[in-house]
Amino acid sequence: AQSVTQLDSQVPVFEEAPVELRCNYSSSVSVYLFWYVQYPNQGLQLLLKYLSGSTLVKGINGFEAEFNKSQTSFHLRKPSVHISDTAEYFCAVNGAGNMLTFGGGTRLMVKP
Amino acid sequence: DVKVTQSSRYLVKRTGEKVFLECVQDMDHENMFWYRQDPGLGLRLIYFSYDVKMKEKGDIPEGYSVSREKKERFSLILESASTNQTSMYLCASSLWGDGEQYFGPGTRLTVT
Repeated sequence: AQSVTQLDSQVPVFEEAPVELRCNYSSSVSVYLFWYVQYPNQGLQLLLKYLSGSTLVKGINGFEAEFNKSQTSFHLRKPSVHISDTAEYFCAVNGAGNMLTFGGGTRLMVKP
Repeated sequence: DVKVTQSSRYLVKRTGEKVFLECVQDMDHENMFWYRQDPGLGLRLIYFSYDVKMKEKGDIPEGYSVSREKKERFSLILESASTNQTSMYLCASSLWGDGEQYFGPGTRLTVT
């Protein structure tokens, strides 16, 4: 069975500052990893995914994430955030079959 | 682009009413999912379907049923709505493969 832990439920940050949203997972099998973003009153939208190959994955809106197998982590980063990045971010893992296991979400609050 | 649509963005129902939430996807995906999303609890899987007329229980199926008569349509049914079913409901679909799910915009259901 898989599990996903997002270590921070809320992350406040000032505009143009860098941000890192942390995600750790546990799984007994090789995994595919995902980050989704949810803007207020909307569904989830894929930011990026790791399937194989390079451990640094680039996504939309300037976000990137690094897969670290030894630390079972998949942290999301952005070097300079904008007000429009204010949203909830979900990390997810697909270990076996086609089911995604989601973390509890991290609310990113970008302040002017 | 994959499009997943949900029949209503906002819905208000009375306790005891039968409620139907409809989801349609236009990309011939085999898999479809229903989640509910509550503050602090993340996404919880209610039911999923991997083929027409096939369904599997997720983590919280109690009080819900589903129907998949056509490949593109997956319905969530609340047989007798209760106030504790007030929530955001998200539908998603995916192909067999890496597990990436495509989400609809969500239905915010209020049961009074």
